[in-house]
This record gives sequence, structure tokens and C-alpha cells, in this order.
Amino acid sequence: AAGVIQSPRHLIKEKRETATLKCYPIPRHDTVYWYQQGPGQDPQFLISFYEKMQSDKGSIPDRFSAQQFSDYHSELNMSSLELGDSALYFCASSPRTSGTDTQYFGPGTRLTVL
Amino acid sequence: QKEVEQNSGPLSVPEGAIASLNCTYSDRGSQSFFWYRQYSGKSPELIMFIYSNGDKEDGRFTAQLNKASQYVSLLIRDSQPSDSATYLCAATAGGTSYGKLTFGQGTILTVHP
Repeated sequence: AAGVIQSPRHLIKEKRETATLKCYPIPRHDTVYWYQQGPGQDPQFLISFYEKMQSDKGSIPDRFSAQQFSDYHSELNMSSLELGDSALYFCASSPRTSGTDTQYFGPGTRLTVL
Repeated sequence: QKEVEQNSGPLSVPEGAIASLNCTYSDRGSQSFFWYRQYSGKSPELIMFIYSNGDKEDGRFTAQLNKASQYVSLLIRDSQPSDSATYLCAATAGGTSYGKLTFGQGTILTVHP
């Protein structure tokens, strides 16, 4: 079965640079969620989109922005990167229109800020 | 205090034994509850979801939910070394938030041969 696709899988950036993470949800899933997981921590919710509109917002820094496109893929844009942004970034998708909020996670993007 | 709390670990059980993982949550508006398994450096993998009070069984896994006590548990029967991982309990937020997951801190399970 098709799963959530994330790219790139690994990303190394310098401080103050920008990064763009991409997420392709499972086909026919209309809702995308972004989570950040620091070393030894549990995943923290950042932001979610339903039918291309922002649905909910969590502890996402103002330096980060995200959107969902017409084909339902989503991008997380991160600017003025800081050392503390180094983490695993997961995207998850769910078929909200089908009445379920069960989320399936992608493989993640490991971001390292030097 | 975290909104979702898991019993302190790590938990070590012998192969073939039952592993019991527990979780409590504070948001009475939470409607959906999930157990994910996460291997080091990998993404969370959905094991079970439960919405209604009572038990739900899927193969070697049984999830239990008690909304009155705000308690969720996961039993793993016939534990295998491949079950060794971090188990994350998660709950959806109540109110107007839809689907936003709040995770517990995770319980590290080790199944030794």
C-alpha cells in the first residue's frame, strides 16, 4: 500500500539558512499534519491542513510557514535556521473526509543545522 | 504535567511474556487514542487505535480504554524480541482541534530472549 512520502530524507544546513521540507500524503488523504521530534523527545505538533486550508496550529515558530497545495502535498518552509531546529520532522496524513482521524506517518526528514 | 503521561520505563520482559503499557490523559475532550511503535531514528508506526470504552483486540495486541478514569493501555501478548521499541501513546485534542495528536513521553520496551 502507498505510504506518506517525505523529501528530502536528510538535510544539512548552516545557521540562518532556509530549508524546505516536502510531504506527499497517502492517495485520497485530505489532511496533512507536521510534527517535530527532538532527540529523546516525543513528537510535537506543529501545524495541520485540511483541504488546502490551515486547520490547526501548534508550537510552530514564526520563522516557519507551511501550506498545502491543490494536489494535497504540503511544504514546510523554515527560515533563519537555528541550532535548536535540528530534529526529525514528520509528516502524517489522514482521510478526514472519510470520518477518521487516524494518522499515518511518513519516514521523516532529519534536519541538521550546523 | 504533560497532557498525556505514560508509565515510567524502561520495561523489560522475557520473550513470550505479556508486556503491559499504560497511559493517562488529562483532556476530557479527547475522543481518539492511538498506540504507535517507534524504532530508534524511524517514524512512528501505528499499532492500534481505540475510540470507545472497553477492549479492542488485533492479533497479539489489545488496547483498553476507560474514559471515566482517563486511562488507556496496551497489552502485547507473546512478546517477541522484534517488539523491542519505544511505544508512544497519543490522544487527539478536544474542542475545536481536529486530529492534532498529543503524545506521551514514550515507554521503552525491551524483550529479551
